[in-house]
Amino acid sequence: DIQMTQSPSSISASVGDKVTITCRASQSIASSLAWYQQKPGKAPELLIYSASNLEGGVPSRFSGSGSGTDFTLTINSLQPEDFALYYCQQGGSFPLTFGAGTKVEIK
Amino acid sequence: EVQVVESGGGLVQPGGSLRLSCVGSGFTLSGYNMNWVRQAPGKGLEWLSYSRGSGSTLYLADSVKGRFTVSRDNAKNSLYLQMNRVRAEDTAVYYCGRDKRGPDDCMDVWGKGTTVTVSS
Repeated sequence: DIQMTQSPSSISASVGDKVTITCRASQSIASSLAWYQQKPGKAPELLIYSASNLEGGVPSRFSGSGSGTDFTLTINSLQPEDFALYYCQQGGSFPLTFGAGTKVEIK
Repeated sequence: EVQVVESGGGLVQPGGSLRLSCVGSGFTLSGYNMNWVRQAPGKGLEWLSYSRGSGSTLYLADSVKGRFTVSRDNAKNSLYLQMNRVRAEDTAVYYCGRDKRGPDDCMDVWGKGTTVTVSS
């Protein structure tokens, strides 16, 4: 199985900050990487697919990059509604696997 | 509006069975591959299963293989997760997720989830 390692596990930031979350796969997954946002008590929502493609309706301050084993989710100019949990997920092979999550908290 | 709605969760005793349902609306479920994902209390996301729209291919996580099965009723635009021989560690919110069409597998439509509690 492909292991997904996310870092950091949590990050404290202020409104307007730039936030970067990384995800590393235990083997190459090309660009088969998705990012999700999850708020308390809610289902995850797809933000980014195929490593760098913005899902429809997602604000352009979110961006993704990377290929192979190393990936990044960047949130430019953090907004109050962005404080949430973020998960990466590899979609290159089964079983699909998620990272452990990164909590973005208010500083 | 495209959405999926899960139902069927509840309290079940260890060793018991439960069937979860996922009904799609705003799209034809048979035209999409579908997933089940769960989230134990305070924990991360765990993928459980993937089934093709045609029903011809099914993948299951090792943690549920041999206990859970997935089926579809395309006439009802529905996906099911049959949970047998449940264990305490199966306690979680169970989500149905539509697989986004494209070269890799991720989920673009999620339901609100249904909660399963395994306890005596």
